[in-house]
Amino acid sequence: EPEVTQTPSHQVTQMGQEVILRCVPISNHLYFYWYRQILGQKVEFLVSFYNNEISEKSEIFDDQFSVERPDGSNFTLKIRSTKLEDSAMYFCASSENLGDIKNEQYFGPGTRLTVT
Amino acid sequence: AQSVTQLDSQVPVFEEAPVELRCNYSSSVSVYLFWYVQYPNQGLQLLLKYLSGSTLVKGINGFEAEFNKSQTSFHLRKPSVHISDTAEYFCALTSGSARQLTFGSGTQLTVLP
Repeated sequence: EPEVTQTPSHQVTQMGQEVILRCVPISNHLYFYWYRQILGQKVEFLVSFYNNEISEKSEIFDDQFSVERPDGSNFTLKIRSTKLEDSAMYFCASSENLGDIKNEQYFGPGTRLTVT
Repeated sequence: AQSVTQLDSQVPVFEEAPVELRCNYSSSVSVYLFWYVQYPNQGLQLLLKYLSGSTLVKGINGFEAEFNKSQTSFHLRKPSVHISDTAEYFCALTSGSARQLTFGSGTQLTVLP
């Protein structure tokens, strides 16, 4: 069964450093998403991406964040200058586009980002 | 704005007993509701969803949920749980034209032998 994959599973970085989290969505999916879950808190939406541009974003997704689909398979989340409060589990998800906007989102296993 | 409330952060239950995980929501527009499950070290997997039609929705692994518009609830139930059902369960919604999911805080279900 096709699945969303994410690398690395765990990333440790120092405050102020740039970090790139990588995701490979399911191959025929056209919508891509990033969510995060700070330890002990809710899963929060960050951004959605369709047709090579941001479709929706939350207030969390400020200028420090960016997303990119650099090739036909990867979808990345970049944090330019990490802060301690960016420590969280980051989930990538993807969904088809069949005209029904409530298509299921398929989630990856997550990348645990630790900022020290 | 919309929100999802899962009142129970932890639910311990004995094997073969029934279980109900509660979910309430708030939204000013029509909603579409989902339950996801997260097993240790894995991603979120869809259990079931309510989009329209019958208010009783059946999902994978013997779970079902009932959409109750008047009580703004979407509780998840299973008549007899197994050890393998031990996991974190998340209720989520989308509303209006948005695709983004709004999640509840999750309920850790622990099935005891």
